[in-house]
Amino acid sequence: EPEVTQTPSHQVTQMGQEVILRCVPISNHLYFYWYRQILGQKVEFLVSFYNNEISEKSEIFDDQFSVERPDGSNFTLKIRSTKLEDSAMYFCASKQGSANTEAFFGQGTRLTVV
Amino acid sequence: DQQVKQNSPSLSVQEGRISILNCDYTNSMFDYFLWYKKYPAEGPTFLISISSIKDKNEDGRFTVFLNKSAKHLSLHIVPSQPGDSAVYFCAASAGYGGSQGNLIFGKGTKLSVKP
Repeated sequence: EPEVTQTPSHQVTQMGQEVILRCVPISNHLYFYWYRQILGQKVEFLVSFYNNEISEKSEIFDDQFSVERPDGSNFTLKIRSTKLEDSAMYFCASKQGSANTEAFFGQGTRLTVV
Repeated sequence: DQQVKQNSPSLSVQEGRISILNCDYTNSMFDYFLWYKKYPAEGPTFLISISSIKDKNEDGRFTVFLNKSAKHLSLHIVPSQPGDSAVYFCAASAGYGGSQGNLIFGKGTKLSVKP
């Protein structure tokens, strides 16, 4: 069964460093998302991506964040200068269509900023 | 501003009984609702969904009910099994109007099914 894969599973980084979280969405999906979950809190929407551009982003997704689909398969989330409060599980998701279809999530990347 | 609310952080149920998980929403533009199940250290897994044109959707042991006038949905699991123990997230999206189907999640309800 096709699945969304994320690498690495765990990333530890020093405050101020740049990190890139990688995702390979399901191959025939067109809509891509990043969500995060801070420990003990709810899953929060960060950004959606379609047709090689951001279609929507939340207040969390500030100038420190960027997304890219550098080739036909990868979808990356970059945090330019990490802060302690960026520590969270980051989930990538993809959908086949935009409306009334479920999103499929990856296993997540645990980002720890020290 | 919580658009999707799950007011019960936890629920404990005996094996074989019914589990009822509740969810309320405030945004009347939401037209598609989903339930996800999440185990620790894993991503959310899609469980069941319902479109706003329906009031009930059933899949095996799982049934989702939607009451649009009350802006309320519930997930019924019957009979509950120990393997159902997980965190259940309610999610909603406004499929049209430019949101590209972004899912807005509730805080989750941790279900524990005791043998």
